[in-house]
Amino acid sequence: GENVEQHPSTLSVQEGDSAVIKCTYSDSASNYFPWYKQELGKGPQLIIDIRSNVGEKKDQRIAVTLNKTAKHFSLHITETQPEDSAVYFCAASRGKLIFGQGTELSVKP
Amino acid sequence: NAGVTQTPKFQVLKTGQSMTLQCAQDMNHNSMYWYRQDPGMGLRLIYYSASEGTTDKGEVPNGYNVSRLNKREFSLRLESAAPSQTSVYFCASSGLESTDTQYFGPGTRLTVL
Repeated sequence: GENVEQHPSTLSVQEGDSAVIKCTYSDSASNYFPWYKQELGKGPQLIIDIRSNVGEKKDQRIAVTLNKTAKHFSLHITETQPEDSAVYFCAASRGKLIFGQGTELSVKP
Repeated sequence: NAGVTQTPKFQVLKTGQSMTLQCAQDMNHNSMYWYRQDPGMGLRLIYYSASEGTTDKGEVPNGYNVSRLNKREFSLRLESAAPSQTSVYFCASSGLESTDTQYFGPGTRLTVL
């Protein structure tokens, strides 16, 4: 079955810097790759997603890139702000979501 | 719209006790899911229901049962709780397509002593 590996597990950046979180997946048939943000005490919330027929997608300060050949995808957050501090999860799907282990991002003012 | 709601928010059980976690959505979604979240392991799918009247096992179904009561409600039952079931449980719902966004509830934190 599908396996998703996510790195790093923790990431600390200064406000205004960029943050990058990387995921690899094992099932070449996966065709949908969402990213979720989870704030303390809340459920995960979708922030951006990408489908396998697209290489890059941007939404304001957030971007996701997908390399199907290498089977990896990444989340890029530019101009980080303290409110970006949260746990971020990647996932891969060809029907059901398989989640990565999560990255705890801390943005220091 | 309340989105996805879950009850209770917190629960403490003793080993061997049973309980049912409730989930409801008001987005007219066909698909509903139950996940558990454990430190360092992300979210793992327990059971899902693609539509009213159908349920299927996910990655970690052992020790759980589910009921899709109607289109809105999807419950998760622990018949005989074990300490290994201590976790945070999330319910989610989505449209029919596998690429439809899944919307998550606020979670139930369960401790089994």
